Amino acid sequence: EAGVAQSPRYKIIEKRQSVAFWCNPISGHATLYWYQQILGQGPKLLIQFQNNGVVDDSQLPKDRFSAERLKGVDSTLKIQPAKLEDSAVYLCASSSAGGLGDTGELFFGEGSRLTVL
Amino acid sequence: GQNIDQPTEMTATEGAIVQINCTYQTSGFNGLFWYQQHAGEAPTFLSYNVLDGLEEKGRFSSFLSRSKGYSYLLLKELQMKDSASYLCAVEGYSTLTFGKGTMLLVSP
Repeated sequence: EAGVAQSPRYKIIEKRQSVAFWCNPISGHATLYWYQQILGQGPKLLIQFQNNGVVDDSQLPKDRFSAERLKGVDSTLKIQPAKLEDSAVYLCASSSAGGLGDTGELFFGEGSRLTVL
Repeated sequence: GQNIDQPTEMTATEGAIVQINCTYQTSGFNGLFWYQQHAGEAPTFLSYNVLDGLEEKGRFSSFLSRSKGYSYLLLKELQMKDSASYLCAVEGYSTLTFGKGTMLLVSP
């Protein structure tokens, strides 16, 4: 079974530029998560999708971050314009969980490491 | 919201036993996960506790007390490859919130 795929693995940009990350979850997984992990810290949830609907985006900085999951499969996370503090690893994860109170085991991709100069 | 607390760093020697604690305050609780994350890699699943008590899986065991808001991960017969960050994660009504992680350093 193929795992969660993410691209690009690494990205270096200057502040105020834009960047987009792509995620393809495990086939059949309804729930998709984007986490931001700053060096030395645990992953912080940015947005959670159930199929193509948003379950939780309370910690997504909506003035600069956006995410979509068209057709309930692939997802993209965009940052525009980027700030220095956005330097982090952006982890995509998916689970087969079906609804509230049923998170299920999360399967993570290898992450996209962003450096903002 | 969720508040999850775990030690920042721990050290232990090869062959020893180590216990990593996690305490949490939460507005909703369904279960607790432990994940392992090696440097530069994605987190991988270790255990999931829903009910009070101890869950054993090989060298790793995880304990949960829902009334005390407390969990621990027990690692036995430590190996060098166990050097990693261990993340406690609380499952709320619909989301999973991670703690900051405990960096475990295993020395020879």
